[in-house]
Amino acid sequence: DTAVSQTPKYLVTQMGNDKSIKCEQNLGHDTMYWYKQDSKKFLKIMFSYNNKELIINETVPNRFSPKSPDKAHLNLHINSLELGDSAVYLCASSQDQRGQETQYFGPGTRLLVL
Amino acid sequence: ELKVEQNPLFLSMQEGKNYTIYCNYSTTSDRLYWYRQDPGKSLESLFVLLSNGAVKQEGRLMASLDTKARLSTLHITAAVHDLSATYFCAVDQPLKEYTSGTYKYIFGTGTRLKVLA
Repeated sequence: DTAVSQTPKYLVTQMGNDKSIKCEQNLGHDTMYWYKQDSKKFLKIMFSYNNKELIINETVPNRFSPKSPDKAHLNLHINSLELGDSAVYLCASSQDQRGQETQYFGPGTRLLVL
Repeated sequence: ELKVEQNPLFLSMQEGKNYTIYCNYSTTSDRLYWYRQDPGKSLESLFVLLSNGAVKQEGRLMASLDTKARLSTLHITAAVHDLSATYFCAVDQPLKEYTSGTYKYIFGTGTRLKVLA
């Protein structure tokens, strides 16, 4: 039974398109995250939600808009895709926002913008 | 802002050998996390170190934390091919500008380990 799942696993699209990635966790956690992992494997946090409330919003272009319909789901919508958006997008969850906890990661969505 | 650096970035080693990966961070933190990522896969938690002097071991991997030196080590004993992966350390940082008690995880650069048969 997958703890953190993401769809789609792969996404190939043209520049200028709009796309969404979905994430779901069945761990009962309160906090969810979106990370971007670039081609050098560097991981950077983009957003975090705690119980449907946005708590971390890093310096990310406003073409990226997260949404959390409930605490088990966190989606990421990207408008007007650019070449530089190509990366692996990783969703994660943790018990809450207060640290001291490991994070559980989804399998990742590999986005390629042509 | 908190910086987390790992070295080496790349490590190629023979099976049966021992080696250590280092993780340095730039500001005070009592908590450090190690993760493993296999090629094309997601991150898997290895260790959670929550205090100075914490040491944890699982199989051929042992992690330790020295908060005074702002240093964690991941020691590999008698490496085997199955340990080939990228290893990340991460530190959590309280964020004053956000809701009280909110922490952000900052990841190290990763160490790509290849164990040769």
